[in-house]
This record gives sequence, structure tokens and C-alpha cells, in this order.
Amino acid sequence: LAKTTQPISMDSYEGQEVNITCSHNNIATNDYITWYQQFPSQGPRFIIQGYKTKVTNEVASLFIPADRKSSTLSLPRVSLSDTAVYYCLVGDEDDYKLSFGAGTTVTVRA
Amino acid sequence: KAGVTQTPRYLIKTRGQQVTLSCSPISGHRSVSWYQQTPGQGLQFLFEYFSETQRNKGNFPGRFSGRQFSNSRSEMNVSTLELGDSALYLCASSSGLERYEQYFGPGTRLTVT
Repeated sequence: LAKTTQPISMDSYEGQEVNITCSHNNIATNDYITWYQQFPSQGPRFIIQGYKTKVTNEVASLFIPADRKSSTLSLPRVSLSDTAVYYCLVGDEDDYKLSFGAGTTVTVRA
Repeated sequence: KAGVTQTPRYLIKTRGQQVTLSCSPISGHRSVSWYQQTPGQGLQFLFEYFSETQRNKGNFPGRFSGRQFSNSRSEMNVSTLELGDSALYLCASSSGLERYEQYFGPGTRLTVT
């Protein structure tokens, strides 16, 4: 599995856009990029997944440059309830396990 | 559609005892995975079952075992509990077609004293 590197923590304010960049220099051709969100004392929640370019859903956008060595999760207009740990995962669809790193703790302040 | 359910939600056991945790996946999901989460080690993969067969296993000792039933419900067993087994145990289910999109339950908080 490709190793990922993401910031340990980020602070933001309500209404701002939060961008979390994940580095995955050793990403393989068949690897997908997936992001999960976890609130305290809850299980992680799938946010978004992509392979290349840009993916958008009702929660977030995922930007992936052409070389795919990094990706950026964008959370538009965050609210206090977006305070959570965000995990970036990289792996092949044939992988049957998720490998979570330390994640990025995002704190949204009023 | 009901989400992933785990029972019990909280459990206190004594060192040396054994424990069984239960997970009911989302209806129609055939894959169930188990994870251990601790402050020190983070989220770690234990094992994954698909159609009653263990498909993948993480790096945990043999004291950790699991099984899956024909209705896709899964159980995880930990024998000879150690203090270090205190953790949040999470179960996740998926259709098995998109393995990276997994749906997690609320977890079972196990405390070993």
C-alpha cells in the first residue's frame, strides 16, 4: 500500500473553505484515493473517492493532479460540526483492508 | 436502510478473560471487516470476511479471531485478554464490490482491567 502523508492538524473558522493536502508519492497505477471522516467515539465515515482530476459530491471535492502524487480534499464553507479527523487512504480496489494513518484533525472555530 | 450495528457498545473485562463482540452489517452487504482503534496505534485492520471466508488478515496475534455467519453477521473473539487490548473495536461492512467504501458501526468500547 502506498504511504500517505498529511498534516497533523488544521484550524479554520466557520464559513471558510478547508483544503487538506495528502502526499502519496509512491501511488501505483491501480490505486484509488479515498477520504474518510471520523468524529470522536464514532466509526469513520466515507466521504469521497477518486482516481484522477476532480470529483465532487454533496459533502466535498477531491482534486487530483495529473501525476497523482498528491490529492487535496476541499470542504466548502465549514461549520462547527465539521470538526473531525480526516483520513487519506490510497490503495488498489483489490485491497481488502483499509490502512489508516494518523489523519488530520480539523478544528472549526466560531 | 439500517446501518451497521454492534453489540455490546461497552464492555468491561478482566485480564485473562475472553470476549466476543458482534456485528450486523447493512442488509445486502457480504463483506465485514474489523478494526481496532487505540490512542497510541490509531486505527488498525484486524481481518475481513466475505461470504463466511476470511479474505484478509492484519498483524494481530492469534488471540484475535473472527467468523462470519451465512446471514453475513460477524463475531470477533479475543481470548486471554491483556490490558493492551483495551480499545474501540469497529466493524465495517461493504458490498464487496467497492471495497474502499466501507460503512462503519459505532464500535464496542472494551476496557480490560
